[in-house]
Amino acid sequence: KAGVTQTPRYLIKTRGQQVTLSCSPISGHRSVSWYQQTPGQGLQFLFEYFSETQRNKGNFPGRFSGRQFSNSRSEMNVSTLELGDSALYLCASSLLQGLNTEAFFGQGTRLTVV
Amino acid sequence: DQQVKQNSPSLSVQEGRISILNCDYTNSMFDYFLWYKKYPAEGPTFLISISSIKDKNEDGRFTVFLNKSAKHLSLHIVPSQPGDSAVYFCAASERGGSEKLVFGKGTKLTVNP
Repeated sequence: KAGVTQTPRYLIKTRGQQVTLSCSPISGHRSVSWYQQTPGQGLQFLFEYFSETQRNKGNFPGRFSGRQFSNSRSEMNVSTLELGDSALYLCASSLLQGLNTEAFFGQGTRLTVV
Repeated sequence: DQQVKQNSPSLSVQEGRISILNCDYTNSMFDYFLWYKKYPAEGPTFLISISSIKDKNEDGRFTVFLNKSAKHLSLHIVPSQPGDSAVYFCAASERGGSEKLVFGKGTKLTVNP
């Protein structure tokens, strides 16, 4: 069974640009969450999608957005990039909401904003 | 306001000995706790979890203990192996799910041969 797949693995963008990151969850998993990891703040929750609906949202500005498709694949978009957006972006999928199910993470997309 | 705290940034142990990683939380609504292991430039790998209705869960060399009254959990690794060297993250969630995890800042474990 394939794991969580994130593309691309590495990305370099310029300030002011926008970026789209992609995540394919484990087959059968319907919940997809996104996290940002930085050295200073650690792993922080961005948002979560279940059945194409955003169910949970973290404390990030509106420049960060996402969506989920009918096949559970998800994309995350960051507009008007800032230097501080440089981070490892991680996607996680889980089978169901609740019910003590663990989340499985992809390898992440390393975004560098210059 | 850090709801999940791992107060030890690093821990060094000898191969074969026990590694104990600690985690404290402040949110009494947390009812599901997980430990993840992470290598640089990779995503976290799930290790073990525990529901708030339990106080202990074991999986091979890994045991997690939960003390709800103290809002404290710990991960025990016995025996420790050099391959266990990584950063360990404690995570917590409400409503028993993994869809919105709150992470600690991690403890870097080094197991010396």
